[in-house]
Parts: sequence; structure tokens; C-alpha cells
Amino acid sequence: AQSVTQPDIHITVSEGASLELRCNYSYGATPYLFWYVQSPGQGLQLLLKYFSGDTLVQGIKGFEAEFKRSQSSFNLRKPSVHWSDAAEYFCAVGARSNTGKLIFGQGTTLQVKP
Amino acid sequence: DTAVSQTPKYLVTQMGNDKSIKCEQNLGHDTMYWYKQDSKKFLKIMFSYNNKELIINETVPNRFSPKSPDKAHLNLHINSLELGDSAVYFCASSQADINYGYTFGSGTRLTVV
Repeated sequence: AQSVTQPDIHITVSEGASLELRCNYSYGATPYLFWYVQSPGQGLQLLLKYFSGDTLVQGIKGFEAEFKRSQSSFNLRKPSVHWSDAAEYFCAVGARSNTGKLIFGQGTTLQVKP
Repeated sequence: DTAVSQTPKYLVTQMGNDKSIKCEQNLGHDTMYWYKQDSKKFLKIMFSYNNKELIINETVPNRFSPKSPDKAHLNLHINSLELGDSAVYFCASSQADINYGYTFGSGTRLTVV
């Protein structure tokens, strides 16, 4: 079955510290992978995506993610977290098809300590 | 100009009522979606339309009926609302190939009392 797992429900980091949010997926085909961020009361904003090519992808707001096929992972990283990064982060997986369906992980809440 | 706009942003209603949520996108995308986000923030697809044609209809109660009058609009009508329908409903759109990802609306928080 297709699924996305974000093992960490809640993460707290200090401002200026590095961040890694984990995402593991189970998908039959070569996946499209996405990270979205949701600020309180807002919709989801696309941070970055991977569908082919270089396995290290750069996104907005200084985020990057690395696709590791052997580990079925697509972890999100940021070298230095800012207080404004506090939000909910969602990993999602999909594939080229006429349905366009994305399957989302359960999300990771990021809290940033001053 | 908002790319994907939903109305209303908040909706409080009594059990048994019928309500609609509207969604419009000005991105020229071919595909539109409704997702439900529950109280644990889990996002699950409900429906998708590609150029006015229903593509995905997940196991959603038939009290929920989507309607797409044109490819820029996707509305969600809910009959006989129940307490368990309380959630945030997100509209999204994408190009036919989702390698560019979705663009989401800001959500409609539905509270059934």
C-alpha cells in the first residue's frame, strides 16, 4: 500500500540550530516527492519537490531535501532555523498519472525556542 | 490576485443543515482537488476533477457532492451535516502532471454544532 510516514510528530529546536525532518515513503512506482509547510490558520505552501535528476533539491526559505531511493526517504533539512520557521511540515508522495493524487504524511510540528 | 481562493473561510452550522464551499483558481490548471484535514492535521483526499471530469472519488459519504461548472471552479456541497464533518477543507489545483505540485487555498474551517 502507498503510504508516507513522518516519524516525528513534534520537534523542538533552538533558533540558529540545524534541522532535519524525516520522511519515509512506500510507493510502487518512482515517486514524485514534496515538502509543504503550513503556518497556523493558513493553507499549505510548497517548499520543494523532487521528481527526477539530482537527488539533492533546493527549495524556498533555505530548505533542502535529499532523495535516497535505497532508504525510501526524503528528509528535509535546514542549516540554521529561524523563529519564523515554526509551523507544521508535511511530506507528500505522488506519481505521474491522470489522477494527480498526493498522499500526505501525518505532519511534523516544529517549535523554535528563542 | 489570490491563486486559489476558497469561500467562506469559516463556517459554523447546526447538525442537519446543508452547506456549500466554493473554490476558484486563476492559474489555468487543469486539475482541482478537495482535501479534508482532521483535528489531528491529517490530510486526506476526497475528490479530484480534471477539466470538469470527476477523476477521484475516495470513500466519502454521498452526503458530499462536488460540482465543477468549469475547470476554474470546484465547489463542495454537503447535505445533512454531522458533527464528524467538522474539519478544515482545502481546495487545491495542479497542472495535469503533478510534478509541479499543488497550489492550495487557505482552507475553510467547518464547525458543526
